[in-house]
Amino acid sequence: EADIYQTPRYLVIGTGKKITLECSQTMGHDKMYWYQQDPGMELHLIHYSYGVNSTEKGDLSSESTVSRIRTEHFPLTLESARPSHTSQYLCASSEPAQGARGAPEAFFGQGTRLTVV
Amino acid sequence: AQSVTQPDIHITVSEGASLELRCNYSYGATPYLFWYVQSPGQGLQLLLKYFSGDTLVQGIKGFEAEFKRSQSSFNLRKPSVHWSDAAEYFCAVGASFDFAGSARQLTFGSGTQLTVLP
Repeated sequence: EADIYQTPRYLVIGTGKKITLECSQTMGHDKMYWYQQDPGMELHLIHYSYGVNSTEKGDLSSESTVSRIRTEHFPLTLESARPSHTSQYLCASSEPAQGARGAPEAFFGQGTRLTVV
Repeated sequence: AQSVTQPDIHITVSEGASLELRCNYSYGATPYLFWYVQSPGQGLQLLLKYFSGDTLVQGIKGFEAEFKRSQSSFNLRKPSVHWSDAAEYFCAVGASFDFAGSARQLTFGSGTQLTVLP
């Protein structure tokens, strides 16, 4: 069982509201990620971090922002939510590569399904 | 840039039948390849991964996948499907890791939805 948690699981909010999606992991992983997933579509990387005070934008442009003040916590914020932000947001973390042990595994949270009305 | 294609959006099989989910990738070097499963309302769970060595990889829940470099494929198989296997399956390719800590990894395919008939 992976120790990575996202809250809330579901969120319905009105346009213009500020929201923060929480993601926490207890595995001590340095690398953390946010993916956006629309129904029937692939996962797109929107933010990643490889340690405290390190954040980068991913492949898909997003109006959201992230912060990484603590290793275990990687929240995602939307300053002013819009209907176009309606999607599922998945947080993940991974262990570092272990050389001959091969590719590290990414652990995913259960996701936050966001609906902006 | 790496990419992953899952040609089948939706597959329906009967319980007990065999299953093969297709995955083709594009990557300039030896890839790291993964299969994840996502049950409704759940996060992604790793089924198996390929790094190097034996091209036939065994995973959890009775799944296996075969890496075929000549075909740029990493198809997922299961000899006998159970009703609990109904879910969405994602193939992913990872970039080579550098030990300075590159965080970029895992390009996902668009997923294949599996329905299992009783």
